[in-house]
Amino acid sequence: EAGVTQFPSHSVIEKGQTVTLRCDPISGHDNLYWYRRVMGKEIKFLLHFVKESKQDESGMPNNRFLAERTGGTYSTLKVQPAELEDSGVYFCASSQVQGAEQYFGPGTRLTVT
Amino acid sequence: AQSVTQLGSHVSVSEGALVLLRCNYSSSVPPYLFWYVQYPNQGLQLLLKYTTGATLVKGINGFEAEFKKSETSFHLTKPSAHMSDAAEYFCAVGRDSGGYQKVTFGTGTKLQVIP
Repeated sequence: EAGVTQFPSHSVIEKGQTVTLRCDPISGHDNLYWYRRVMGKEIKFLLHFVKESKQDESGMPNNRFLAERTGGTYSTLKVQPAELEDSGVYFCASSQVQGAEQYFGPGTRLTVT
Repeated sequence: AQSVTQLGSHVSVSEGALVLLRCNYSSSVPPYLFWYVQYPNQGLQLLLKYTTGATLVKGINGFEAEFKKSETSFHLTKPSAHMSDAAEYFCAVGRDSGGYQKVTFGTGTKLQVIP
């Protein structure tokens, strides 16, 4: 069974540009989570989908970030326009049922210059 | 509110020596506690978790952790370090939030194993 996959693995963009990160959860996992780790700091929760609905988006930093999960399968996280402080590693995780173990992807390393 | 403190961003041990990675947490409700490991270029992998019951939890790769409520600690140990244990380790605390785990991570500890 394939794990959680994320694309791209690395992205380098200039300040003001737009970037879209993609996450494909494990097949059949209704719960999908986004996290972010800014260099040297803790991994922080961004938001949680149950199927295509946003269950909790309390961790989204501001309205430059837009997450979608159309059809309840893969999810995208768009940053527009990107700022320097958005640099970091963005992790996606999925779980089969609520409260169950979350399986993490390898992350996307975003660098904004 | 919940938070996690990991003491030491970098820890070095000799191969065969004891591994001890420290984690203290705070939580307003009985916590779920986790240790994750991240190997280079890989995702976070769950090492072990404590939910309820036995306070000494055994995980994969010979790691274990003990939940000590009086000390609000959940330190990770392994009796004998192996070169393959070199990775970054994250302690995390979770709580049920509307039926799902809302997880708060520590800042991570990079473990170096010296041959």
